[in-house]
Amino acid sequence: QKEVEQNSGPLSVPEGAIASLNCTYSDRGSQSFFWYRQYSGKSPELIMFIYSNGDKEDGRFTAQLNKASQYVSLLIRDSQPSDSATYLCAVNLIQGAQKLVFGQGTRLTINP
Amino acid sequence: KAGVTQTPRYLIKTRGQQVTLSCSPISGHRSVSWYQQTPGQGLQFLFEYFSETQRNKGNFPGRFSGRQFSNSRSEMNVSTLELGDSALYLCASSLVGRGSTDTQYFGPGTRLTVL
Repeated sequence: QKEVEQNSGPLSVPEGAIASLNCTYSDRGSQSFFWYRQYSGKSPELIMFIYSNGDKEDGRFTAQLNKASQYVSLLIRDSQPSDSATYLCAVNLIQGAQKLVFGQGTRLTINP
Repeated sequence: KAGVTQTPRYLIKTRGQQVTLSCSPISGHRSVSWYQQTPGQGLQFLFEYFSETQRNKGNFPGRFSGRQFSNSRSEMNVSTLELGDSALYLCASSLVGRGSTDTQYFGPGTRLTVL
């Protein structure tokens, strides 16, 4: 089992709809969770992080964490064509240090 | 505040050569991490430096090495290049590299092609 798993997609969502991106992780000791967006040919850009169970909202983005189910998700409301990118889930496995383990990423396409 | 910078942006080398990549973190950030990104393996952690010391290391051969200077700038070196080393090498910096909320910010990357 991979440490961090994402559906590679592509995920196609109509403009204005909600895009839902999912990620599962294998290590119950994982401390913090990050969502990065990566446009083709560019480097990853941090969208948001979450470390407590529940929801965390930032503008059109909501991260959801369920440690019991080892599941983290990202919701994008009112999806825009500019949201079309690959979304990377990253998990920090080591307490007190930083060693991010990334999923393979989900390619999201927003259709006008 | 300026972001993470990496030089050079593109490199072409041949098998057997060695290469050095450079990374300047965001001002005030003391932790620098390096990642390799390939289409097949995705983003993989190479190593992390803090206060000129390697704190964490990923599962890469000894041909991959790095160092950090007193001004937090970091370099990574790959010796005896192989075709499989062709990748995007990303540097990320964070304040101290510890704690749940210390986040990493990525530089633009160095695209290495090994012929």
